[in-house]
Amino acid sequence: DAKTTQPPSMDCAEGRAANLPCNHSTISGNEYVYWYRQIHSQGPQYIIHGLKNNETNEMASLIITEDRKSSTLILPHATLRDTAVYYCIVWRVNQFYFGTGTSLTVIP
Amino acid sequence: DSGVTQTPKHLITATGQRVTLRCSPRSGDLSVYWYQQSLDQGLQFLIQYYNGEERAKGNILERFSAQQFPDLHSELNLSSLELGDSALYFCASSAGTELSYTFGSGTRLTVV
Repeated sequence: DAKTTQPPSMDCAEGRAANLPCNHSTISGNEYVYWYRQIHSQGPQYIIHGLKNNETNEMASLIITEDRKSSTLILPHATLRDTAVYYCIVWRVNQFYFGTGTSLTVIP
Repeated sequence: DSGVTQTPKHLITATGQRVTLRCSPRSGDLSVYWYQQSLDQGLQFLIQYYNGEERAKGNILERFSAQQFPDLHSELNLSSLELGDSALYFCASSAGTELSYTFGSGTRLTVV
């Protein structure tokens, strides 16, 4: 399995940047890293993905280390609505391998 | 609204029974994926269908089966239900690339 490792929980003050780390040391050279989040028990929501280069979109930034063994999702200005479980996952052979994710709590 | 429709939203049934969960993919999407999420667990991939044919299989029990119909909607059949089958069941659809992988809002199954 394409395993990823994330801390189980993190807190972040509202308005500050939230930095969520992920280790994916077994990732292969052509496998993308994806980030999804799940608010309460809703369906997971796509955030961002990347292969080698750092990526940015309207929701977040993704920083991937040069050796591709780890990455960091950055929410630049966290809001209360960003409280969710964040999953770092690898796409392999038509499926995503979800771990247990990081439960991010944004504190007022 | 993600465009992926799952019904019913909630289902309560007894052990030993059989249920059918339904998923309508986003318009134009040919692939449907089913995932199971037990309490406080990550999502476990069950099975994928592409344009009516099984494409990939994950940790799906033999008591579970799925199919995709010509109109592209999919059904997940769960039989001989056990208490441990209580979970959220999510369906996702894609046009064929992972960028358009969109999840529905799920069906919460409770087996009593």
